[in-house]
Amino acid sequence: NAGVTQTPKFQVLKTGQSMTLQCAQDMNHNSMYWYRQDPGMGLRLIYYSASEGTTDKGEVPNGYNVSRLNKREFSLRLESAAPSQTSVYFCASNEGANSYEQYFGPGTRLTVT
Amino acid sequence: GEDVEQSLFLSVREGDSSVINCTYTDSSSTYLYWYKQEPGAGLQLLTYIFSNMDMKQDQRLTVLLNKKDKHLSLRIADTQTGDSAIYFCAEEYGGSQGNLIFGKGTKLSVKP
Repeated sequence: NAGVTQTPKFQVLKTGQSMTLQCAQDMNHNSMYWYRQDPGMGLRLIYYSASEGTTDKGEVPNGYNVSRLNKREFSLRLESAAPSQTSVYFCASNEGANSYEQYFGPGTRLTVT
Repeated sequence: GEDVEQSLFLSVREGDSSVINCTYTDSSSTYLYWYKQEPGAGLQLLTYIFSNMDMKQDQRLTVLLNKKDKHLSLRIADTQTGDSAIYFCAEEYGGSQGNLIFGKGTKLSVKP
């Protein structure tokens, strides 16, 4: 089991460029999440998908879109990157309702100049 | 809205006990959690406590929950240099076990 995988590991974008962060899990989990982590801010939920075919906004959704492509994959898209989106992005998954543990990917470090 | 507060830094000597404190706001959380993040890695669940418990012990870890004061603590006995990491307290968002609100994290530094 690879667990939760994320690509790319690092990315540098110029302001206004777009990109998609990829996340996949091989644990047959129902729910998937995207967080951003900023120094001194902890983790903040961007979007989540409680089950295949559904997505919902989290605490900080502005500037992002998501796609739950299938049960395994949950992608995060930045349509027009801004310096304020410089952050480390983590994808996580869990079994869903009544499941307490979230499993995290290794993160994508994104810099927007 | 929901919020989780914890101090940002803690420094201890190897062999001492570490106590990391956290306050939370959502009383509907069924579980409360401690996650650990090592440098350059994602978060990993360290331990959790069911909301109707006062204490949970797991080897060197002791979790204390004061539900009245909405206070959670994590004690690490005999702290080792390998325990150096960032520790996040988390509560459930809107009573849903899948959705978490994390604190800002406490960076634990263990000096030899």
